[in-house]
Amino acid sequence: LAKTTQPISMDSYEGQEVNITCSHNNIATNDYITWYQQFPSQGPRFIIQGYKTKVTNEVASLFIPADRKSSTLSLPRVSLSDTAVYYCLVGETGRRALTFGSGTRLQVQP
Amino acid sequence: GAVVSQHPSRVICKSGTSVKIECRSLDFQATTMFWYRQFPKKSLMLMATSNEGSKATYEQGVEKDKFLINHASLTLSTLTVTSAHPEDSSFYICSARVQSEQYFGPGTRLTVT
Repeated sequence: LAKTTQPISMDSYEGQEVNITCSHNNIATNDYITWYQQFPSQGPRFIIQGYKTKVTNEVASLFIPADRKSSTLSLPRVSLSDTAVYYCLVGETGRRALTFGSGTRLQVQP
Repeated sequence: GAVVSQHPSRVICKSGTSVKIECRSLDFQATTMFWYRQFPKKSLMLMATSNEGSKATYEQGVEKDKFLINHASLTLSTLTVTSAHPEDSSFYICSARVQSEQYFGPGTRLTVT
C-alpha cells in the first residue's frame, strides 16, 4: 500500500482558498487518490477521488501532476464549518480496505 | 451517496461485560464491511474485514476472540467487544463497500468504566 505524507495541521481564515498537499511517492499504477473529511466524533465523509490531472466537484478540486507522486486538495473559500481533519488515501479501489494516514487538521478562523 | 448507520451511537458499559455494535447499510447491499477503531486525536485503524457469510479477516494485533464480528446478511454486520476493559474505550467506525467506494457509518463511542 502506498504510504502518504501530509502536513499535520494548517490554519486559515474564512473566505480563503486552502490547498492541502499529500505526497505518495510509491503510488502504484492501479491506485486512485481519495480524500475524506472527518469532524470530531463522526465517521469520515468522502470528498473527492481522482486518478490523474484535475477533478472538480461541488465542494473541492483535486490536482494530480503527471507523475502522480503527489496530489493537492483545494477547498475554495473555506468557512468555519470546514474545520476538520482531512485524510489523503491512496489505493486500488474496490480491492483492499482504505488505510488512513495521520491526516491534516485544518483550523479555520473567523 | 450510500448511507451506513450504526447503533448505538454511544454506549457505556462496565468492565468485564460485553457490548454489541450494529452496522447497517440502509439503501444498498454490502458484501464487504470493515471495522475501524479510532482513539482521541488519532487516525482510524483498520481492525477487520467482514465478508457476508464467511469469517472475518483480522488485522495483525487485533484479537479475534475479543472482537467478535458477524456478517450474517448483506445489510448487517455486528461487532461484539467481549469482556470489555477500560483500554477498549474508543470510537468504533464501520464502513461498507459498494463497487469501488467505501462509505462510513457515524461511529459508536464506547466507554468502559
